Parts: sequence; C-alpha cells; structure tokens
Amino acid sequence: GQQLNQSPQSMFIQEGEDVSMNCTSSSIFNTWLWYKQDPGEGPVLLIALYKAGELTSNGRLTAQFGITRKDSFLNISASIPSDVGIYFCAGQYAGNMLTFGGGTRLMVKP
Amino acid sequence: DAGVIQSPRHEVTEMGQEVTLRCKPISGHNSLFWYRQTMMRGLELLIYFNNNVPIDDSGMPEDRFSAKMPNASFSTLKIQPSEPRDSAVYFCASSSKQGGGAYGYTFGSGTRLTVV
Repeated sequence: GQQLNQSPQSMFIQEGEDVSMNCTSSSIFNTWLWYKQDPGEGPVLLIALYKAGELTSNGRLTAQFGITRKDSFLNISASIPSDVGIYFCAGQYAGNMLTFGGGTRLMVKP
Repeated sequence: DAGVIQSPRHEVTEMGQEVTLRCKPISGHNSLFWYRQTMMRGLELLIYFNNNVPIDDSGMPEDRFSAKMPNASFSTLKIQPSEPRDSAVYFCASSSKQGGGAYGYTFGSGTRLTVV
C-alpha cells in the first residue's frame, strides 16, 4: 500500500525561526493535505493542495504540491510559541482513503 | 456546526473492564473513521464506515475491539476486556466522502484512555 515518509520527526527551534518539513511518497497523489494537532486536541486541517506545482499560503504557512505528485512541503515563517504541536501530511488518490504521514513534532523555544 | 463530538474526553479504567468510546459525526457526513494514536505507532486507522456499514476493519488489533454504527449520527468503539497496552488516544473522524473530499477528514478532540 501507499506509504508517506514525513521528515523531520521532530524539531526544536527558537522563536522567530522559519520551519520546513516535507512528505514523500512511493506513489502519486491527487490531493495533499496538511494538518496540525495541538496538545490534547485532534488534528485540524491547515492547508489543502489539489494540483501538481500548486503553492498555497495560509498566514505564515506556505505549502507546495510537488510537481512529481509524490511529495509536498510545508513552511512556517517567523515561528511563535503557539506553533507548537504535531504537523501531519496526508495524501489522497482517486477517492481512496487518506494516507497519513508519521507527523513532525514541533517545539518552539521562546 | 459543533464538529465531531467524542465522549468521554478522558477514561481511566482497570485492566479487564469493558470500555466504550462514543462518537457523533458531523451531520451529513457519511464516512466515519476510528483512529488510535500512540507515541510509538503514530496515527493508526482501526476501522471505517460508509453509510453506517463497516467497510474495512483490518486495523482493529484483535477480537477484544469492536465498533458499531447503528445510525448516521452515532458510533461506538468498545474494548472488552481492556488491557494496559490499549492505553492511547482514540480519535473519531468524519467526512462527506471516503476519500475526504475537498476538505479531508474532520477529527474529534479524542478520548484519552488509560488502562491500569
């Protein structure tokens, strides 16, 4: 079945720094989604990408759908303490189930 | 919309006891998913339903786990008997389509289960 490799597994950064994380797949997807899970809560959708090469922003967050359709990137600019949490990528192909990555745990030092 | 509602938020039980987790999906969503999250294994899909019918339960760890969806607005995940290794956060999610449609899955806030 499809597998998503998400990296890094964890990051510990200083407030104000930019953050980059990515997901790669062994097969193609039609849709890439990025979720954030706050401590003690369920994952919440941040950004959805529907076309290869698409670049989408949501405030300080920017995500890209790789042109090969096998990868996606999420960048966070000027991190703040409330960015702490676990970020998940998810891919979907042709109406099939979402496949989730293993998550990137982000910690921000004030 | 109140989102996906799960209860209880926290459950502490003794080994061997029966545990029932509850989920109310978003009205109009016809796909419902149960996930388990642990530090070691991340998010694991346990079972999902389309139009109240279980489609794939291959993720259910063993016979001690069972799930039902008697109607479009309610689902339960039951563990009987519970064991300490079942301790985890259990999430319910719903969507308008199996593949999530344009907005993916909407997750509840989870039930943190501790079996002592």
